[in-house]
Amino acid sequence: GNSVTQMEGPVTLSEEAFLTINCTYTATGYPSLFWYVQYPGEGLQLLLKATKADDKGSNKGFEATYRKETTSFHLEKGSVQVSDSAVYFCALSVASGGSYIPTFGRGTSLIVHP
Amino acid sequence: NAGVTQTPKFRVLKTGQSMTLLCAQDMNHEYMYWYRQDPGMGLRLIHYSVGEGTTAKGEVPDGYNVSRLKKQNFLLGLESAAPSQTSVYFCASSSPRAAKNIQYFGAGTRLSVL
Repeated sequence: GNSVTQMEGPVTLSEEAFLTINCTYTATGYPSLFWYVQYPGEGLQLLLKATKADDKGSNKGFEATYRKETTSFHLEKGSVQVSDSAVYFCALSVASGGSYIPTFGRGTSLIVHP
Repeated sequence: NAGVTQTPKFRVLKTGQSMTLLCAQDMNHEYMYWYRQDPGMGLRLIHYSVGEGTTAKGEVPDGYNVSRLKKQNFLLGLESAAPSQTSVYFCASSSPRAAKNIQYFGAGTRLSVL
């Protein structure tokens, strides 16, 4: 079956530090890959996506590159802010039996201190 | 633009009581989902629907029923609530073909079962 593994948190950083959250996946077929962010008390919202190998998704200073050879989609940001404190979810979506049911990782909590 | 709307936002039930959570989307999406989110467990899929009049079981369907009589609505029912169903419930919708299955989430329903 499909699965997504992401690093356990919490990840605690100081403002302006470099962020990496690792994500690897297993999928039958050719998945689309996503990062979602969940701010406290809210639902998840799309942060960025990539739909084919070597694509780089980017948004709000965050980036992730679809690496088919290592089945990875690591999230990076060069300089985090306190407002980036949230839970980040890696996810994939791939056709299976005619349906496109997504698979989510367990989420990684990021805490950024001033 | 309303997106995905969940009602109610909060609810407290006694063991054995029943209730229905309502999800409505205004994006004409084919797919709709119900998830539960528990600490340390990430998102777990309860039931989903790939179109009006169709539903299917997800990862944790026991104790829940769903119905999708109209394309824009997806109802989640608890027939006899148990304390193990205390959780935050999220509804989501997506369109696999039009938008690479990006999930759009509601703000969540916080349910406590005493």
